[in-house]
Amino acid sequence: AQKVTQAQTEISVVEKEDVTLDCVYETRDTTYYLFWYKQPPSGELVFLIRRNSFDEQNEISGRYSWNFQKSTSSFNFTITASQVVDSAVYFCALSEAVTGNQFYFGTGTSLTVIP
Amino acid sequence: GAGVSQSPRYKVAKRGQDVALRCDPISGHVSLFWYQQALGQGPEFLTYFQNEAQLDKSGLPSDRFFAERPEGSVSTLKIQRTQQEDSAVYLCASSFSLGPGPGTVEEFGPGTRLTVL
Repeated sequence: AQKVTQAQTEISVVEKEDVTLDCVYETRDTTYYLFWYKQPPSGELVFLIRRNSFDEQNEISGRYSWNFQKSTSSFNFTITASQVVDSAVYFCALSEAVTGNQFYFGTGTSLTVIP
Repeated sequence: GAGVSQSPRYKVAKRGQDVALRCDPISGHVSLFWYQQALGQGPEFLTYFQNEAQLDKSGLPSDRFFAERPEGSVSTLKIQRTQQEDSAVYLCASSFSLGPGPGTVEEFGPGTRLTVL
């Protein structure tokens, strides 16, 4: 079973629009971590945020914000006032306490910001 | 910057050839991971090293895949008798954490794109 689901395959927005990328996860662990990574065309995965399962506070970092809701097993990512440089593939990932060696990645959401 | 580096960046192999992919982790990083990323998919875990010890190889898809990290720094992923389904980007990641643990922030290299003809 897919542990991390990113239902949005591709999203296009016009520059300065806000956009939300959805992430739904599945785990039986009570201790787990959620991540978002950005993959620009150059290919490397760039770490954006880590959130542990005991901290449901939303987080804001500049134009980026994250909404973690355990009740719906979601960890959504919003970019405010999008810019062309935000164009990339964004991956949500899960790391569990039981199988802590690896990340379970979603299939990614390709974001295109149109100038 | 001294990030994770991988070489070669691109590799084309004929079916049946052996290939070796290299990963240079960030200096001092204890943990090293290999992932396979097929086109249009998220990365999938292959194997994990803590220093020179391969502690988890549960993600290696077949016995044609072999990874080593003999001195606890540079790692090599070897694929024997390559098949077309091996075509993917192979990503290496490292972290400073003494153990893998959940929540470890992994820093990724740019990947090696392998194409098997």
